[in-house]
Amino acid sequence: GAVVSQHPSWVICKSGTSVKIECRSLDFQATTMFWYRQFPKQSLMLMATSNEGSKATYEQGVEKDKFLINHASLTLSTLTVTSAHPEDSSFYICSASRLAGPYGQETQYFGPGTRLLVL
Amino acid sequence: SQQGEEDPQALSIQEGENATMNCSYKTSINNLQWYRQNSGRGLVHLILIRSNEREKHSGRLRVTLDTSKKSSSLLITASRAADTASYFCATSGTASKLTFGTGTRLQVTL
Repeated sequence: GAVVSQHPSWVICKSGTSVKIECRSLDFQATTMFWYRQFPKQSLMLMATSNEGSKATYEQGVEKDKFLINHASLTLSTLTVTSAHPEDSSFYICSASRLAGPYGQETQYFGPGTRLLVL
Repeated sequence: SQQGEEDPQALSIQEGENATMNCSYKTSINNLQWYRQNSGRGLVHLILIRSNEREKHSGRLRVTLDTSKKSSSLLITASRAADTASYFCATSGTASKLTFGTGTRLQVTL
């Protein structure tokens, strides 16, 4: 159990267009979803935290008007990269959390990632 | 940045050898987790160690935690070619947010 999917798995778009990435928890309801960005050979950097029905909380330095997050239900969050530019090319990974694990702690389950290339 | 540091950045060993990766972090934590990431893929959770624990084992994995030094280590024993991946530590405080380390790229050759 605890499967998280992302769609699409990869996308190529032209500069100036918008791209929407979906993150779904397939077999559980997620209390919170997180969006990360990872540049080549680098670590994951948290972009934002999102809870169903409320506004996302963005990390310092992440433009909320550029990276729109919609958390429509307990199983679906979307990230829209608006007016994408080549520097937005990256690997975007989401996670969905729920209480689990040996200690009943908040546990994040990660999606397979979406590779975005902006030409 | 609150991001942790991992060393080495890259590690190349032969199959059957042990691999040790270290992680240092900066703030107080609730727990520390280790993840594996195969190239271009998502993250796989390996093990979680709580702040009041010093050592945990899971199969060929051994994790230690020293909160006084704000450091952790991941030992993979009897490595296999399939262990080739990047390994990240991630810390969690009172909130559920994870802060990832810089990662260690492990290459296990036959």
